[in-house]
Amino acid sequence: AQSVTQPDIHITVSEGASLELRCNYSYGATPYLFWYVQSPGQGLQLLLKYFSGDTLVQGIKGFEAEFKRSQSSFNLRKPSVHWSDAAEYFCAVGVLSGGYNKLIFGAGTRLAVHP
Amino acid sequence: DGGITQSPKYLFRKEGQNVTLSCEQNLNHDAMYWYRQDPGQGLRLIYYSQIVNDFQKGDIAEGYSVSREKKESFPLTVTSAQKNPTAFYLCASSIDPGGQPQHFGDGTRLSIL
Repeated sequence: AQSVTQPDIHITVSEGASLELRCNYSYGATPYLFWYVQSPGQGLQLLLKYFSGDTLVQGIKGFEAEFKRSQSSFNLRKPSVHWSDAAEYFCAVGVLSGGYNKLIFGAGTRLAVHP
Repeated sequence: DGGITQSPKYLFRKEGQNVTLSCEQNLNHDAMYWYRQDPGQGLRLIYYSQIVNDFQKGDIAEGYSVSREKKESFPLTVTSAQKNPTAFYLCASSIDPGGQPQHFGDGTRLSIL
């Protein structure tokens, strides 16, 4: 069955520290992979996506993610976290199911940033 | 600025009542989606529409209904058959009918009185 696992429910980092959010997926075919960010009470904003090609993907707000097929992972990274990065982050995989493309989301990782 | 507008931001439903959540977009996108978000869970697809006058059920369509009479509008009705409607509802759109949602609204939080 298709699924997305984000192992960390909560993560706390200090401002200026590096960040890595983990994402593992289960899908038999080549996946389309996405990272979204959600501020409290808001909708989701697309940070970056991977469809094919270079496995290191650059996104907005200084984020990047690396697709590792052998590990079925798509971890999100940022070299230096800012207080405004505190939010919830969702990893998603795009799959073809029942004749249409759909997104399967992980449960999310809530990021807190200490000053 | 183009975007997706969801209204109201907060909505309360009485037992046995149907309520309708509004979603309007001025992005000229063909595809629109409705997702439900529960605490500690990712988003789950309720309904989607790839084109006007056409829509399909997602993973959790029971107790919900939609219409797509205009390209800009994709309202969601939460019927009395939905026994656990308390959740955060997100509308999204995509320029590509077969693609993934690219833009999200700010959501409607529905609660039971």
